[in-house]
Amino acid sequence: EVHLLESGGDLVQPGGSLRLSCTASGFTFSSHTMTWVRQAPGKGLEWVSAISGGGDYISYADSVKGRFTISRDNSKNTISLQMNNLRDEDTAVYFCGKGQLSNFYMDVWGEGTPVTVSS
Amino acid sequence: DIQMTQSPSTLSASAGDRVTITCRASQNINSWLAWYQQKPGNAPKLLIYQASILESGVPSRFSGSGSGTEFTLTISSLQPDDFAIYHCQQYSSYTRTFGQGTKVEIK
Repeated sequence: EVHLLESGGDLVQPGGSLRLSCTASGFTFSSHTMTWVRQAPGKGLEWVSAISGGGDYISYADSVKGRFTISRDNSKNTISLQMNNLRDEDTAVYFCGKGQLSNFYMDVWGEGTPVTVSS
Repeated sequence: DIQMTQSPSTLSASAGDRVTITCRASQNINSWLAWYQQKPGNAPKLLIYQASILESGVPSRFSGSGSGTEFTLTISSLQPDDFAIYHCQQYSSYTRTFGQGTKVEIK
């Protein structure tokens, strides 16, 4: 069974840093794009960042570019999101999603990990 | 960035109704559009990709159509399990974007 598990969400002060992880199982990890999507309380989905299966293609939303870094370790079936210089507006539940092979829509999602940025 | 606009924001309907949700892109995205269903407290679930291809296991009462800049998600006969929020997502451009969501609520 395909499964994604996010971790690392926490309460952090503005300007702080946090590293999220997503551990995958049940599929050939390196063959699939992976994506981070977030959802602020009571709001819609916001696409954050994506990475290709080999890690050679990366993209970011303008709202996080220069502050967030996505990476993957195919030997450990994990992706990470390093979040620096966090702002109040980064408060959200962060979901990781598995792409259908090289496509950038998500056919499997994790349950999400909450990030709260507040002083 | 490509902007995605869904309408309506909220839709009130009864079980058995035919329901249509529209998603408009600010520029041509060909057929690179997906639809998701999300229930409160849960992760989204993929319904349709490439504008009209039904994801495996999704009931056939769901269908998608459109290309270019205008797309629709139709539920042919609304079931109690379908009351949820629906999101469209374009994956044509470098930065993929979602619509703001459409809540389908009980009339």
